[in-house]
Amino acid sequence: GEKVEQHESTLSVREGDSAVINCTYTDTASSYFPWYKQEAGKSLHFVIDIRSNVDRKQSQRLIVLLDKKAKRFSLHITATQPEDSAIYFCAARITGNTGKLIFGLGTTLQVQP
Amino acid sequence: GGIITQTPKFLIGQEGQKLTLKCQQNFNHDTMYWYRQDSGKGLRLIYYSITENDLQKGDLSEGYDASREKKSSFSLTVTSAQKNEMAVFLCASRSGQGAGQLYFGEGSKLTVL
Repeated sequence: GEKVEQHESTLSVREGDSAVINCTYTDTASSYFPWYKQEAGKSLHFVIDIRSNVDRKQSQRLIVLLDKKAKRFSLHITATQPEDSAIYFCAARITGNTGKLIFGLGTTLQVQP
Repeated sequence: GGIITQTPKFLIGQEGQKLTLKCQQNFNHDTMYWYRQDSGKGLRLIYYSITENDLQKGDLSEGYDASREKKSSFSLTVTSAQKNEMAVFLCASRSGQGAGQLYFGEGSKLTVL
């Protein structure tokens, strides 16, 4: 079945630097790629998404890049702040399957002051 | 705004016991999900439902039953709890079909003695 692989299990950066989290997916029919954030002791909440008709999307300090040929997408967090420290999950949904959303294993990001 | 309420927050069971988790949402969302989160294993989809009385199996459906008798509620039953099992079960919902962010509940933590 379809899989989403998240390449970094942990990532540590200094405050103010950029952080990059990379994901790959297996199903070429995937067309929607959201990212979720889970802060310590809390549930997940949505941060940003990208659809397959574009290759870049930015929301404030968050940038998502999509490379459909390589079946790869990435989350770039610029000018990191301590409150960016959390677990980040990437996910993918297949075109035509309106319900099923598959998640990666998560990347624990630590932003060092 | 809306909210997703999961009950109970903590559930302790015995091996072999049948255990039920409940989820209510007041977003009037069509699609609801149950995910299981284990440490180091990310989120794995158990069941989802795209409308009232609809049930779709995820990758981890064996050992679970689900029920969507009303649009606002989605319950999950562990049919036979496994000894020393420990996991967090997350309920989520999303409006309509196609792309759109998921809203997650706070989670139900299961411990099996």
